[in-house]
Amino acid sequence: AQRVTQPEKLLSVFKGAPVELKCNYSYSGSPELFWYVQYSRQRLQLLLRHISRESIKGFTADLNKGETSFHLKKPFAQEEDSAMYYCALQGAQKLVFGQGTRLTINP
Amino acid sequence: GAGVSQSPSNKVTEKGKDVELRCDPISGHTALYWYRQRLGQGLEFLIYFQGNSAPDKSGLPSDRFSAERTGESVSTLTIQRTQQEDSAVYLCASSEDRGLVSDTQYFGPGTRLTVL
Repeated sequence: AQRVTQPEKLLSVFKGAPVELKCNYSYSGSPELFWYVQYSRQRLQLLLRHISRESIKGFTADLNKGETSFHLKKPFAQEEDSAMYYCALQGAQKLVFGQGTRLTINP
Repeated sequence: GAGVSQSPSNKVTEKGKDVELRCDPISGHTALYWYRQRLGQGLEFLIYFQGNSAPDKSGLPSDRFSAERTGESVSTLTIQRTQQEDSAVYLCASSEDRGLVSDTQYFGPGTRLTVL
């Protein structure tokens, strides 16, 4: 079975502080993992995928197969990072999403 | 170019009525997905269309839910005899489906369904 767990529904940090949004997964195969983001009044969009090993808007995420985690990190949070973040796992074309974490960056 | 569009943006209906939700995918995208998002919860997969293949309906919660797709274009999600627990945002997404597992899905703005 595929499962994605985001343990924090809400996360609040101050501007300039480091951010880490946690994501753990359960999947028997080789996982394809993603982070999607939804800014206020905008549609859900892809932020980054583990296979690309890229940094988008200062965010990075490393797949840790031993810990079955794919945490999203940014060293210095900015106010425009406030949004809803979803971790997702793709298996057999179906994206399985976590419940999301609402990140609020305080000035 | 135009992204994925959905209509209506909001729908309020009475319990027991049927509703139809529409999705227009990005032109050229052969794969189309429907998801449901209940308040405070994650996105729940409903159904997946890929080209001319039989759709993957494994996520449909009951036989009151059905979906159709016309060729590689418009899709409609129909909910019969709506119940209050059907209240949610229904999201549609499309992708190129080049046979790569990690094809990016592009999401529509969603339809907010409220069943009174």
